[in-house]
Amino acid sequence: KNEVEQSPQNLTAQEGEFITINCSYSVGISALHWLQQHPGGGIVSLFMLSSGKKKHGRLIATINIQEKHSSLHITASHPRDSAVYICAVRSQSGGGADGLTFGKGTHLIIQP
Amino acid sequence: KAGVTQTPRYLIKTRGQQVTLSCSPISGHRSVSWYQQTPGQGLQFLFEYFSETQRNKGNFPGRFSGRQFSNSRSEMNVSTLELGDSALYLCASSLRPMGISVTGELFFGEGSRLTVL
Repeated sequence: KNEVEQSPQNLTAQEGEFITINCSYSVGISALHWLQQHPGGGIVSLFMLSSGKKKHGRLIATINIQEKHSSLHITASHPRDSAVYICAVRSQSGGGADGLTFGKGTHLIIQP
Repeated sequence: KAGVTQTPRYLIKTRGQQVTLSCSPISGHRSVSWYQQTPGQGLQFLFEYFSETQRNKGNFPGRFSGRQFSNSRSEMNVSTLELGDSALYLCASSLRPMGISVTGELFFGEGSRLTVL
C-alpha cells in the first residue's frame, strides 16, 4: 500500500509570496494528481502528472519519479489561492484495492 | 458542458437505515470513481467503475456497494448505516480509467453530505 506524505500540513503566507507544497510517496506510481478543495467541499483537479513538469497560469507542478517526490508551486500567491491542496497517487500495480491514495492535505491561507 | 452532478446534496439518516447516492458523469465520460471524506481519515477511495464494470475497490466493508448503468451514471449504496458513515461522499468522472494518460484526469462533483444520527 502506498504511503503519501504531504508537507507542510498548514501554511500561512502573505500575498505575493512564492508557495511550495511537497508530496512524497513510498511505492512506484502510474500517475499523481494535485487537487484543490475550497471550503464547502468542491474539489478541482489542478494537474495529473506521470513525469516532468506542468504549468498552468501561476501554478507549476513537478515530479521526480526516481525520488518519489512531487512539488506544487504557486507564484505570486493571492488570497483566492487559499484552499486545501491534496496530493493523490495511483500505484503502479494498478488494480485490486489500490485506486487512489491521498495525502492528508495542506491547508494554505494567503493573507492580503 | 454540464459538470458532474451528484444527488442528493444533503441527507440525514438514522443508524440501521440504508442510503443510495447518485452520480451523473460529464457527457462522454465512461469512468466514475467514488470517495469518502471525513475529518479524521481524509479522502479515501471507495471504488471505480468503467463501462459498467467495477475495476477497483477500496478497503471498505461489504455494506458499501455500487454499480454503473449503461449511460455511465453510477449509484453507490450503503446499507445498515453506522454513525461513522457520516461523511462527504464525492464522485469523479473521467474519459478513461483514472491514472491512464491525460484522459484519466478527474472531474469531481460537489458531493453528497450524509449525516447519520
